[in-house]
Amino acid sequence: DQQVKQNSPSLSVQEGRISILNCDYTNSMFDYFLWYKKYPAEGPTFLISISSIKDKNEDGRFTVFLNKSAKHLSLHIVPSQPGDSAVYFCAALKAAGNKLTFGGGTRVLVKP
Amino acid sequence: NAGVTQTPKFQVLKTGQSMTLQCAQDMNHEYMSWYRQDPGMGLRLIHYSVGAGITDQGEVPNGYNVSRSTTEDFPLRLLSAAPSQTSVYFCASSPPGTGRYYGYTFGSGTRLTVV
Repeated sequence: DQQVKQNSPSLSVQEGRISILNCDYTNSMFDYFLWYKKYPAEGPTFLISISSIKDKNEDGRFTVFLNKSAKHLSLHIVPSQPGDSAVYFCAALKAAGNKLTFGGGTRVLVKP
Repeated sequence: NAGVTQTPKFQVLKTGQSMTLQCAQDMNHEYMSWYRQDPGMGLRLIHYSVGAGITDQGEVPNGYNVSRSTTEDFPLRLLSAAPSQTSVYFCASSPPGTGRYYGYTFGSGTRLTVV
């Protein structure tokens, strides 16, 4: 049973518009949530994280929102750029733990 | 260049063969881990280590062995390869307790095919 789910396997967006990626989790013990970006033939690279005590974290064009009561988080990319075309994974960590639990990924295509 | 180095990048094995996937990092990270990536399933944790001499199982450990004799190296051994182990394998590392803030550093992966 997947504890972290990304229900949209793909997303297509026009350059300059907003990309919204969604992630749901089932385990209330998760304490931190991370987003990773992955290009083909490369390893995942860290984008942004958020603690469960916050509801928003911003880093440049990337903002992560956390709705703890709904067990839902989202990543907003504004504005989207062609270089953002990649697979995005959300991941979760339990308090004091090291083990990342990943979602299945969402493939984003940004059209020029 | 500092980072996580995985070798080989590609490997084809016959069923029943054994092999070792290598992972090395030069950042003095205490925490290291192995993941496998399969379509639609994200990355799943195989084994991890919080320091030299300490290893533990992750979500999908069956068919894999690990050891950690040095801080730098964390090899993953397939004892008797099976087609179900066809996957892309990633090694990741981080300093203790900081992965949640700054993420884990991943290698570029080993694509393994078992025929």
